[in-house]
Amino acid sequence: DTGVSQDPRHKITKRGQNVTFRCDPISEHNRLYWYRQTLGQGPEFLTYFQNEAQLEKSRLLSDRFSAERPKGSFSTLEIQRTEQGDSAMYLCASSNRGRVEKLFFGSGTQLSVL
Amino acid sequence: GNSVTQMEGPVTLSEEAFLTINCTYTATGYPSLFWYVQYPGEGLQLLLKATKADDKGSNKGFEATYRKETTSFHLEKGSVQVSDSAVYFCALSNSGYALNFGKGTSLLVTP
Repeated sequence: DTGVSQDPRHKITKRGQNVTFRCDPISEHNRLYWYRQTLGQGPEFLTYFQNEAQLEKSRLLSDRFSAERPKGSFSTLEIQRTEQGDSAMYLCASSNRGRVEKLFFGSGTQLSVL
Repeated sequence: GNSVTQMEGPVTLSEEAFLTINCTYTATGYPSLFWYVQYPGEGLQLLLKATKADDKGSNKGFEATYRKETTSFHLEKGSVQVSDSAVYFCALSNSGYALNFGKGTSLLVTP
């Protein structure tokens, strides 16, 4: 069990550029979640996958955001035409239970949009 | 909607002091309640949970009791250690797969 890994750890980009983050969940976990966390706030739910199916999306996930989990293993989160308000820590979590009994979180990707 | 309110930090305590971090929630129905902890440089991890009223979650000397009558889930520890210094998040899940987190409470324990 190597834990949930996220790449990159930090990303600095200019406004208007596209960025993509990757998450590798714990191997036997079929559920994967993306959260966003800004300074002084708790994590906010963005989206959830069960295997390759995206089953739930928050209204926070604007049209510029897209997430995929093509083979039910790793996941990517892409942000198109980044804005300064997108600056945040993007967290990935995984679990193998039917409900959110226990999520395992990665260390996150810190995005800074200049 | 679902929401969690927890006391603002930072909280600074001396080693062996008693800790209480307050958490109250708003939700319809019967949510599950959680405390997650984030140690410096690490990812969030589950500390304890309770899934129904009057349940007590406990782990590593921490406890929290699910009080439906006061819609609360306060975190307590009788004697904190320097290694407990971290950010603590109260969270709830209500008939879905999303966790709703509070803003977090930073705890610093000094020797």
